[in-house]
Amino acid sequence: SQTIHQWPATLVQPVGSPLSLECTVEGTSNPNLYWYRQAAGRGLQLLFYSIGIDQISSEVPQNLSASRPQDRQFILSSKKLLLSDSGFYLCAWRGTGWSGYTFGSGTRLTVV
Amino acid sequence: GENVEQHPSTLSVQEGDSAVIKCTYSDSASNYFPWYKQELGKGPQLIIDIRSNVGEKKDQRIAVTLNKTAKHFSLHITETQPEDSAVYFCAAQNGGYQKVTFGTGTKLQVIP
Repeated sequence: SQTIHQWPATLVQPVGSPLSLECTVEGTSNPNLYWYRQAAGRGLQLLFYSIGIDQISSEVPQNLSASRPQDRQFILSSKKLLLSDSGFYLCAWRGTGWSGYTFGSGTRLTVV
Repeated sequence: GENVEQHPSTLSVQEGDSAVIKCTYSDSASNYFPWYKQELGKGPQLIIDIRSNVGEKKDQRIAVTLNKTAKHFSLHITETQPEDSAVYFCAAQNGGYQKVTFGTGTKLQVIP
């Protein structure tokens, strides 16, 4: 069966520090991968999605970036965090066609 | 692009009563409608979905109905239990494309 791993679970980082969140998927090949952000008490905002290695589409221009160095690995990064980057970050994958998302357990990021 | 409206934003019901959450969508090309349940501090989990060629789908205490003409779909939870308390998100997507549009979420509280 397919599983998705996301880490770390929580992170407290100072303003201006770098960020790296990692997500890996097991049990499937060539998954569509996504990064979402959820502000406290708010909905889901799509940040990036990827349909293949080194194929990244950005939905929201900001100081975040994403990379997909391997088929089942998706990384969210920032060179310098802002206070507004705080939130709950979710990695997800889904197949093509009639299928919903499988979300990771999320990373709670607090920028101080 | 697609726009999904979800109502109500909060819903409180007594244990054992039914709960209904409604969503409307704008893009007639959308053909797949999943529902997600997000418990506190966790990633959303797909609980039920419906395709555009089906009017109703049921899975134990939860059911989803779809009215393509009116472009709305609803989640019905019967015999609610405290463990049903969570935030529920509807979504609309075109199976052939990558983008999924989420509703803004409904916080359901089941009062024992």
